[in-house]
Amino acid sequence: AQTVTQSQPEMSVQEAETVTLSCTYDTSESDYYLFWYKQPPSRQMILVIRQEAYKQQNATENRFSVNFQKAAKSFSLKISDSQLGDAAMYFCAYSRSLIQGAQKLVFGQGTRLTINP
Amino acid sequence: DTGVSQDPRHKITKRGQNVTFRCDPISEHNRLYWYRQTLGQGPEFLTYFQNEAQLEKSRLLSDRFSAERPKGSFSTLEIQRTEQGDSAMYLCASSSNRDRGPEAFFGQGTRLTVV
Repeated sequence: AQTVTQSQPEMSVQEAETVTLSCTYDTSESDYYLFWYKQPPSRQMILVIRQEAYKQQNATENRFSVNFQKAAKSFSLKISDSQLGDAAMYFCAYSRSLIQGAQKLVFGQGTRLTINP
Repeated sequence: DTGVSQDPRHKITKRGQNVTFRCDPISEHNRLYWYRQTLGQGPEFLTYFQNEAQLEKSRLLSDRFSAERPKGSFSTLEIQRTEQGDSAMYLCASSSNRDRGPEAFFGQGTRLTVV
């Protein structure tokens, strides 16, 4: 079974600085997807960024980028120029490819990110 | 259609009572998922529908849990004879099969408290 591990329960960063959230996963499959989701307090979960395992290039979405190391099964999220609105719980998630069936998400335990003004 | 909608947002029930939650996915999405999230944890998969067919159920989904998606539109999740351990946030998500990827859109969840 696939597992996702986030080893940092909490992180904090000064506004405008850069922070990196860690994630490792375990799978025997070669084709899969990885995601970072953001869950603000009392608000719905939203997708921050996604990475297809078959792509070597790291995904980037504005201030958010990932460092995808397939051999090491590592998938970290870098947030540049941190803003107060980035404060939230961040979840790393894994999904198998479509041809393998239901694309349920396997989530890590989450990292609570605090932005200090 | 502004997104995935869940109703109610909050539910407090006495142990032993039955509860039912509703999820309305994004209208063109044929895939629908239910997850359960306990405090301080990541969501855990419960069940998956493609159109009206329930294709996968987690072992977390005991016999007291049942989910339906009639006509492939909205879905309901019913918990019978609730227990205190059922207290959690129940999240619904939907996705489209147009894309190769499984990008899922989540609702705001239903928070269940069993007293």
